[in-house]
Amino acid sequence: NAGVTQTPKFQVLKTGQSMTLQCAQDMNHNSMYWYRQDPGMGLRLIYYSASEGTTDKGEVPNGYNVSRLNKREFSLRLESAAPSQTSVYFCASTGRGTTEAFFGQGTRLTVV
Amino acid sequence: AQSVTQPDIHITVSEGASLELRCNYSYGATPYLFWYVQSPGQGLQLLLKYFSGDTLVQGIKGFEAEFKRSQSSFNLRKPSVHWSDAAEYFCAVGALSGGYNKLIFGAGTRLAVHP
Repeated sequence: NAGVTQTPKFQVLKTGQSMTLQCAQDMNHNSMYWYRQDPGMGLRLIYYSASEGTTDKGEVPNGYNVSRLNKREFSLRLESAAPSQTSVYFCASTGRGTTEAFFGQGTRLTVV
Repeated sequence: AQSVTQPDIHITVSEGASLELRCNYSYGATPYLFWYVQSPGQGLQLLLKYFSGDTLVQGIKGFEAEFKRSQSSFNLRKPSVHWSDAAEYFCAVGALSGGYNKLIFGAGTRLAVHP
């Protein structure tokens, strides 16, 4: 049982480049989330998807877009990467009616 | 607005000593409370959670936490720390909203363990 899988694990981008972070869960969870983690700031919610077919902005959505491709997959796209988006990105999921979140291993992104 | 405060950014303890990590929250109703641990280069692992009932909850790896409504606190404790407990610890408050879980995290406390 893989849980939440994120790809890639590491990525270096040049300013202005685009990329998509992939996330998939195999727990049949309804809700999925993208967080970014920065030193001294904990985890901040970028976007979430309460259920398949819906997405909403979180605390820090600027510069990002998301797609809930199906129930399993939730991708995060950076259209034009900026150095301020250097961070560790975590995908998470929760089951319907529960509050326990399961996290992926993270993607360490550096924008130069 | 919901918020979580972890007053201690860094804590250093000796192996075998007791540990208490502080967490204070702000939430309008009875919160769902969590402690997560993150080892270097890893994702977040759930240590324990409080939903309702007994205010002292037991978690994995010998950790426990006590919910104190009057103090809006959910402090994490361990009676005897092991070197492998060195990690970053995050307190979070959650709420079910429209069927999904909104989690708000504290800034984290980094724990160092001296031999």
